[in-house]
Amino acid sequence: LAKTTQPISMDSYEGQEVNITCSHNNIATNDYITWYQQFPSQGPRFIIQGYKTKVTNEVASLFIPADRKSSTLSLPRVSLSDTAVYYCLVGDLMGNTDKLIFGTGTRLQVFP
Amino acid sequence: EAGVTQFPSHSVIEKGQTVTLRCDPISGHDNLYWYRRVMGKEIKFLLHFVKESKQDESGMPNNRFLAERTGGTYSTLKVQPAELEDSGVYFCASSQDRSYEQYFGPGTRLTVT
Repeated sequence: LAKTTQPISMDSYEGQEVNITCSHNNIATNDYITWYQQFPSQGPRFIIQGYKTKVTNEVASLFIPADRKSSTLSLPRVSLSDTAVYYCLVGDLMGNTDKLIFGTGTRLQVFP
Repeated sequence: EAGVTQFPSHSVIEKGQTVTLRCDPISGHDNLYWYRRVMGKEIKFLLHFVKESKQDESGMPNNRFLAERTGGTYSTLKVQPAELEDSGVYFCASSQDRSYEQYFGPGTRLTVT
């Protein structure tokens, strides 16, 4: 799986939009971009996945530029409960493995 | 629909003892994965079952670890004998199809003293 780079931590306030950018310069043609969220003392939780352009669901949006060398997870109007670690993962769904490779993630702290 | 469950939630054992962790995946999920986070490091893949067969066990650290999934339902991960460096949180995840959208359990915190 392609290596990813994300900020170690970010701070925000309730009600603000948070954008977490992930760099994946070596992304391959068949690679998808997946984001997970993890709260303390819980297992990671799938948030969103995309290949190109923009993907939106009820939780977040994922923006992927044309060169796909980076992606941005956008959380609209965060609340205290969005305080968590966010992981960006890149991998080939059609490959011979679907194991997830987690990096250090981005620790998001939301303040009141 | 029940999520992935793991038992026990926490286990404290002495070095040299044996511990067995259990994972019950979401019903109908053929794919079951084990991961672990040790000593505050990153979450690492251990192995992947498709039904009762081991699809990928490239992440298993050594032969002290034995994973089984008899009947393709629940899975167990046995550590025998446990060492201090095995302390950490062991996560189980499952998915219906091969996918990066995996459903994780709450984890089992293993402490080896």
